[in-house]
Amino acid sequence: DQQVKQNSPSLSVQEGRISILNCDYTNSMFDYFLWYKKYPAEGPTFLISISSIKDKNEDGRFTVFLNKSAKHLSLHIVPSQPGDSAVYFCAARAGNNRKLIWGLGTSLAVNP
Amino acid sequence: EAGVAQSPRYKIIEKRQSVAFWCNPISGHATLYWYQQILGQGPKLLIQFQNNGVVDDSQLPKDRFSAERLKGVDSTLKIQPAKLEDSAVYLCASSLATHVYNEQFFGPGTRLTVL
Repeated sequence: DQQVKQNSPSLSVQEGRISILNCDYTNSMFDYFLWYKKYPAEGPTFLISISSIKDKNEDGRFTVFLNKSAKHLSLHIVPSQPGDSAVYFCAARAGNNRKLIWGLGTSLAVNP
Repeated sequence: EAGVAQSPRYKIIEKRQSVAFWCNPISGHATLYWYQQILGQGPKLLIQFQNNGVVDDSQLPKDRFSAERLKGVDSTLKIQPAKLEDSAVYLCASSLATHVYNEQFFGPGTRLTVL
């Protein structure tokens, strides 16, 4: 049972345009969400997070939006750069001291 | 600041053999995690340590997997005996604490191939 779903295995965008990566979840107890980026042969690196008490968090070119009623969050990258090409994982946690539940990842390719 | 170190980076073994992975977390990080990431999937938590105590090992196949974190610093993960389905990348991560929203820092992983 996949509690965190990333339904698009891959996404391709042009450099300079917006990349939108989507994530859906089923567990209403999730209260903290994170996005990680992973390059080949490296471990995931933390990108941005959002608490369930917020609906938006912004950090430079990266913005995460949370729609709790729809159990949906999205990561926006504007403008996209070729160095953003990586696999992006959405992860969620249900309260303090709870393990992260990860999605399957979306492979983003930003074309020059 | 040095990151999370893992060794070896790659390991190829035959089924029924044993294998061990080593992790050195970021200095001062009390919490250490071992994840298994099968190709095409997200990481799955195997075991979580707080200092040298186990916080969560609910998804660790205890009949063949074991892990320890002596002295609350380095950790080793062992598989004995290995099965074909254990082929995966084994990721180690660390964080400052579990009771606040602290991000986890990952090592480069060990890619295990079981033949």
